[in-house]
Amino acid sequence: SQQGEEDPQALSIQEGENATMNCSYKTSINNLQWYRQNSGRGLVHLILIRSNEREKHSGRLRVTLDTSKKSSSLLITASRAADTASYFCAGAGSYQLTFGKGTKLSVIP
Amino acid sequence: GAVVSQHPSRVICKSGTSVKIECRSLDFQATTMFWYRQFPKQSLMLMATSNEGSKATYEQGVEKDKFLINHASLTLSTLTVTSAHPEDSSFYICSAMTGTPHGYTFGSGTRLTVV
Repeated sequence: SQQGEEDPQALSIQEGENATMNCSYKTSINNLQWYRQNSGRGLVHLILIRSNEREKHSGRLRVTLDTSKKSSSLLITASRAADTASYFCAGAGSYQLTFGKGTKLSVIP
Repeated sequence: GAVVSQHPSRVICKSGTSVKIECRSLDFQATTMFWYRQFPKQSLMLMATSNEGSKATYEQGVEKDKFLINHASLTLSTLTVTSAHPEDSSFYICSAMTGTPHGYTFGSGTRLTVV
């Protein structure tokens, strides 16, 4: 079963704008991870936030985690056309990853 | 480090035939590997978890006789789609538990098309 919902399902923005994607999860997690997938390709790990963390930054990425609401958000600042991809959150329990439905991001040059 | 190599990247097969997909951990020992299936424009659905030297654990709704998983060594897990049907056409991805900070490394995926 999937971890939860991500919204929006699809997001289209202009290059240079910020993109925010949200993820909700159902079960308890040890950490939450965000992955990127280019069309028809494998997954690239972007960032991990632990259950005892509230915010984390990595380059143009900012992730927040609210365990009371079982939700996370991924912010990509100053987007580039190369950021066009699908983005998935994945909750890590004690053993395995469970993926959200994903957000398809299109960055228009 | 912690690279998983998945082959083939694309395969087309006829209905009724079997297809084997391999995942190899290149620079680490993968005692646990996961197999996912992804339909177009959808998320990854965990199919099964394989542990080296033991039987795979399948998720609910996944036919273990159709999707045979073998994890006979610490560096190789295989998924065999038996008696393939067009509805088995999908993108299959493996991942392995690693010692990396985020704990998992993914293969590059296999696009299976059954005609």
